[in-house]
Amino acid sequence: DVKVTQSSRYLVKRTGEKVFLECVQDMDHENMFWYRQDPGLGLRLIYFSYDVKMKEKGDIPEGYSVSREKKERFSLILESASTNQTSMYLCASRGTGSRNQPQHFGDGTRLSIL
Amino acid sequence: QKEVEQNSGPLSVPEGAIASLNCTYSDRGSQSFFWYRQYSGKSPELIMFIYSNGDKEDGRFTAQLNKASQYVSLLIRDSQPSDSATYLCAVYTGRRALTFGSGTRLQVQP
Repeated sequence: DVKVTQSSRYLVKRTGEKVFLECVQDMDHENMFWYRQDPGLGLRLIYFSYDVKMKEKGDIPEGYSVSREKKERFSLILESASTNQTSMYLCASRGTGSRNQPQHFGDGTRLSIL
Repeated sequence: QKEVEQNSGPLSVPEGAIASLNCTYSDRGSQSFFWYRQYSGKSPELIMFIYSNGDKEDGRFTAQLNKASQYVSLLIRDSQPSDSATYLCAVYTGRRALTFGSGTRLQVQP
């Protein structure tokens, strides 16, 4: 079974702090994704990466950056946290080579910015 | 028009009934379709996927795909209160990320 592990289930930070959310997958997947999920807004793609050191902006990249130094690890960085970044953050990974590859999600990090 | 549309619900069905969840998509080039279940406060988990027209069954779940009409549905037979969750439809269009609908909330009444 694919395992996607997010470093924290709950996190509380203060406005202006630099925040790091970590995600690790164990299936050698090329593609990794960061989403945020808010009530009524569904899943919104922040950034994704299709290879080491490669990244692409998703639908809502403003205020975020990412890092992928190793294939199994994908980090989301909030450069200067703001209260409107309080949300559930979900990491996912997906293999390539087949249209039937699903995305596998981590357990999520509920981030509160005070 | 959203790329993947779902009725937000809630869809309320009595225990033991068939729950029918629907999803429409706009990209005719879409290749495969996924159903995820998400319990409140949890992350989405994959239920099943389908890529050929017709039905695909897995236990109490049946996915139905009609590419000509651009819709995909999920039927849950013998619905149980434990099936109460939000169901997300996701579509693979050839891009690296799946495109997700906003989800339908299902409530199964005991």
